[in-house]
Amino acid sequence: AQTVTQSQPEMSVQEAETVTLSCTYDTSESDYYLFWYKQPPSRQMILVIRQEAYKQQNATENRFSVNFQKAAKSFSLKISDSQLGDAAMYFCAYGLIQGAQKLVFGQGTRLTINP
Amino acid sequence: GAVVSQHPSWVICKSGTSVKIECRSLDFQATTMFWYRQFPKQSLMLMATSNEGSKATYEQGVEKDKFLINHASLTLSTLTVTSAHPEDSSFYICSARPAGRLNQPQHFGDGTRLSIL
Repeated sequence: AQTVTQSQPEMSVQEAETVTLSCTYDTSESDYYLFWYKQPPSRQMILVIRQEAYKQQNATENRFSVNFQKAAKSFSLKISDSQLGDAAMYFCAYGLIQGAQKLVFGQGTRLTINP
Repeated sequence: GAVVSQHPSWVICKSGTSVKIECRSLDFQATTMFWYRQFPKQSLMLMATSNEGSKATYEQGVEKDKFLINHASLTLSTLTVTSAHPEDSSFYICSARPAGRLNQPQHFGDGTRLSIL
């Protein structure tokens, strides 16, 4: 079975600084997606960034970028120029490209932004 | 953008009653929808995969007779918590995958907070 592990229950960063959230996963599949979701206090799930496993180039979305290391099964999220609105729970998730595409989530990392 | 509506957003009911939660895809069709449960300060755990026109697929440990799922149309899936008890209190979130678009991510509803007294 696939598993996703986030080893940092909590992280904090100064506003305007850069922070990296870690995620590792375990799978025997070769075609899959990896995601980072943000869940603010409203508990809405917001997709931050997505990476296709077959793509070597790391995905970027404005201030958000990933470091995808397929051989190491590592998928970290870097947030640059942190803003107060970035404070939230962040979940790493895994899903197969084929089939039902159900998601397996990590335990989450609570990110605090210090003004 | 794609919108998934979940209703109600918050429900409080007495122990022993049944509660129905709706998940609607507003501007796309979804042959597959997913139901997740999230306990306080925990992650999302998949409960079941809802398939339009067929039986839902439940994850191991999820009681199919307690959590009834119906996906009767391409835009609506319902989760009914039967004979709810306090331990069923949780945050329930649905998501929907646009039909025929394998490369599009799932879209999540805003969740339902269920409190059983």
